[in-house]
Order: sequence, then structure tokens, then C-alpha cells
Amino acid sequence: SAVISQKPSRDICQRGTSLTIQCQVDSQVTMMFWYRQQPGQSLTLIATANQGSEATYESGFVIDKFPISRPNLTFSTLTVSNMSPEDSSIYLCSVAAGVSMGEQYFGPGTRLTVT
Amino acid sequence: SQQGEEDPQALSIQEGENATMNCSYKTSINNLQWYRQNSGRGLVHLILIRSNEREKHSGRLRVTLDTSKKSSSLLITASRAADTASYFCATIGSNYKLTFGKGTLLTVNP
Repeated sequence: SAVISQKPSRDICQRGTSLTIQCQVDSQVTMMFWYRQQPGQSLTLIATANQGSEATYESGFVIDKFPISRPNLTFSTLTVSNMSPEDSSIYLCSVAAGVSMGEQYFGPGTRLTVT
Repeated sequence: SQQGEEDPQALSIQEGENATMNCSYKTSINNLQWYRQNSGRGLVHLILIRSNEREKHSGRLRVTLDTSKKSSSLLITASRAADTASYFCATIGSNYKLTFGKGTLLTVNP
């Protein structure tokens, strides 16, 4: 298994500003992902964070709004840019692990409120 | 789009009772997983069942998979107040990306 930490755990931000969320893993992992969970909803994949190259975004998510960095195999950041109240969500990073990489381990999440 | 659809959306039971949650999915799968989320925190991986398995146990958890019906169930036996959480099924697609169902909010009353 992998132990994942995220910073900050929560934040309240004003609209129009940006917030960068950090994700740190205690071991080197190949596959790292960022998810969004809107209030009362399930998780939706934002992007796959690729080490050394640009992230791969899912439909409905764009790099200008959610720039992602992955400088090495244990760390990634997600920035939520030019925030609006609709961005209020929990943002979670995860890594694929296990024998066949079928299991994913999640960070504790970052609860973002935009006012 | 959501791959898995859980039902019920919410379930309230008494401590000691069993809780059953169901999940349906749309496409072919290699495996299906169940996760628990406590009060808007990170997800905890509970159990993974492969497409060639019909049933799997882990402690008080029992998961079944019916690929012909594209459905799975999670049974929690002898529930405890600490089992109160949201439970999600998820299927894995290309490049290990997970697609989650809508989840079931389970409340276990002491």
C-alpha cells in the first residue's frame, strides 16, 4: 500500500484567485490521478498526472483551469485557477498500486470552499 | 458519465444488522472495487473482485459479482456504528482510471 498526504487539508478562497494543492506519496509510483468530488456527489476523474510530461485530462477538464505538475514519482500538484463558487469541492489525489495496479490509494482530500 | 449506479442511495440500519448495497455497471470489466469514504474524507479501498470471481470475503465484508447482469453487491454483516460512511463501487478502465458509482450513504444507528 501507499501512504499519501495532501496539503492543505482545507481552504476557503475568494473567487478569482488560485489554489495549489500538493500530493506527496511515501514511495515511488507510476500512476497518479486527481479527482474532484462536488458536494454530495461521487468522484470524477480530472486528469492523470504524468511524470515528466503533460497531464492527460478527461473530458470537461482543461489545463488552463487545472494545471498539474508531476516533477517526480512521489509528488504532484493540482492548481485550481481563477476559482468560482462552482469549484467548491473536495479534491483528491490517488495512486495506482497493488500487484496488478488495480487498487488505488487515496489521499485524505482537500476541501475547497470558494466564496 | 457514471459507470456504476448504486442502490439504495441511502440506507439506515441498527447496529448488529446486515447492510446490503448494490451496484450496476454498463461496460465489460476486468475487476470491480468497493471503497468507503468517511464524512467527506479520503477513500479507503475495501475489496477488489475480478471478473472471473463470483464471490469474495474480507472480514465482515462479502462482495458478489454477476457479470451476466453487470451487477455487484456489498454485504456488511453485524454492522457497527463505525461502519457509518459512504460506499462506492468503481470499475477500472484503460490506463487504470477509475469510474465511480454515485454511492450509498450508510448510517448505522447505535
